[in-house]
Amino acid sequence: DTGVSQDPRHKITKRGQNVTFRCDPISEHNRLYWYRQTLGQGPEFLTYFQNEAQLEKSRLLSDRFSAERPKGSFSTLEIQRTEQGDSAMYLCASTLIDSNYGYTFGSGTRLTVV
Amino acid sequence: AQSVTQLGSHVSVSEGALVLLRCNYSSSVPPYLFWYVQYPNQGLQLLLKYTTGATLVKGINGFEAEFKKSETSFHLTKPSAHMSDAAEYFCAVSDAGSARQLTFGSGTQLTVLP
Repeated sequence: DTGVSQDPRHKITKRGQNVTFRCDPISEHNRLYWYRQTLGQGPEFLTYFQNEAQLEKSRLLSDRFSAERPKGSFSTLEIQRTEQGDSAMYLCASTLIDSNYGYTFGSGTRLTVV
Repeated sequence: AQSVTQLGSHVSVSEGALVLLRCNYSSSVPPYLFWYVQYPNQGLQLLLKYTTGATLVKGINGFEAEFKKSETSFHLTKPSAHMSDAAEYFCAVSDAGSARQLTFGSGTQLTVLP
């Protein structure tokens, strides 16, 4: 068990470019969550998967955002046509359903849009 | 809808003094409550959680919290602060529904003075 891994740790991109982040959850965890955290704020829920199915999306997840979890393993979060307001820390968490809520967070991907 | 209020965005204590970080929540269903700690440029680490049972919950690093339903509170305490406790602390709530995503407060930055 190596924990939740996120890649890259940091990403600087120009406004208008597309970016993709990856999250590798703990292998036996069947739920995976994406959160966004802006400076000085707590994380905000974006979306979650149970196995490969995306079950809920927050209103924060605009049409420029898309997330996938093929085969119920790793997940990707893509942002198209990035804007400066997308600058934030993107956190991934995983858990095993009915596991007494043992959410494990990754170290996050910090996105800076210039 | 759920919400979390953390009173005091910044708290300073002297080393060896009592740490008290306040958290109040609102939830229309019985809540599950969490405290997380975040060090700079890192993800979230679970300190402790309340789901059911005993209302006084003990966590890692000497922290504990008490669920008080009548006061809708879940304050975090530690009898004696250590320099290594300096970090940002987040209170979070989840419901017993199927999504179980976490709703976070805006965080409290704890400074420990020598």
